[in-house]
Amino acid sequence: GENVEQHPSTLSVQEGDSAVIKCTYSDSASNYFPWYKQELGKGPQLIIDIRSNVGEKKDQRIAVTLNKTAKHFSLHITETQPEDSAVYFCAATKGERGSARQLTFGSGTQLTVLP
Amino acid sequence: DSGVTQTPKHLITATGQRVTLRCSPRSGDLSVYWYQQSLDQGLQFLIQYYNGEERAKGNILERFSAQQFPDLHSELNLSSLELGDSALYFCASGVRQGANTGELFFGEGSRLTVL
Repeated sequence: GENVEQHPSTLSVQEGDSAVIKCTYSDSASNYFPWYKQELGKGPQLIIDIRSNVGEKKDQRIAVTLNKTAKHFSLHITETQPEDSAVYFCAATKGERGSARQLTFGSGTQLTVLP
Repeated sequence: DSGVTQTPKHLITATGQRVTLRCSPRSGDLSVYWYQQSLDQGLQFLIQYYNGEERAKGNILERFSAQQFPDLHSELNLSSLELGDSALYFCASGVRQGANTGELFFGEGSRLTVL
């Protein structure tokens, strides 16, 4: 089955700096790569996703890049703010868009933005 | 608010006991997923149901079972509980007919403590 590795496990940055979290996946058939943010005491929430036919996607201060050849994808957060502090999970799955498919998650990254 | 409701939010029980966790998916979602999150661990996929039928199984112990009812709510049954079963159990829903993006919507979790 799919295996997703995520690094680093913890990341501290100064407010205003950028943060990068990296993930690798094992199944070359995986074609959907979402990123979830989990705040303390809450469930994970989707913040951005990318499909295998796209190399990069941006949404304001957040961007995700995908390298299918190397089987890795990354989350980039620019101009970090204290409210970005949370645990971030990458995930991967395969299947047709719209199908009921399970996600395999990475182990998570605790991001701390220092004021 | 994701629209996914989980009860109870907290549960403390003893080893050897049995508990039932309940999940009401987001209105219109056909699929329910159960995930386990242990301390310092990522999200481990347990089981998935789609419109009342089991769709996929992950690392779910034989002591655990689940079902999805005709009204699409789901229950996760944990029996012969051990100390190591202490974790946060998340339910997620997704797959809406005619408008499925692949996103999973997570509840806030049920925290199980086994003493």
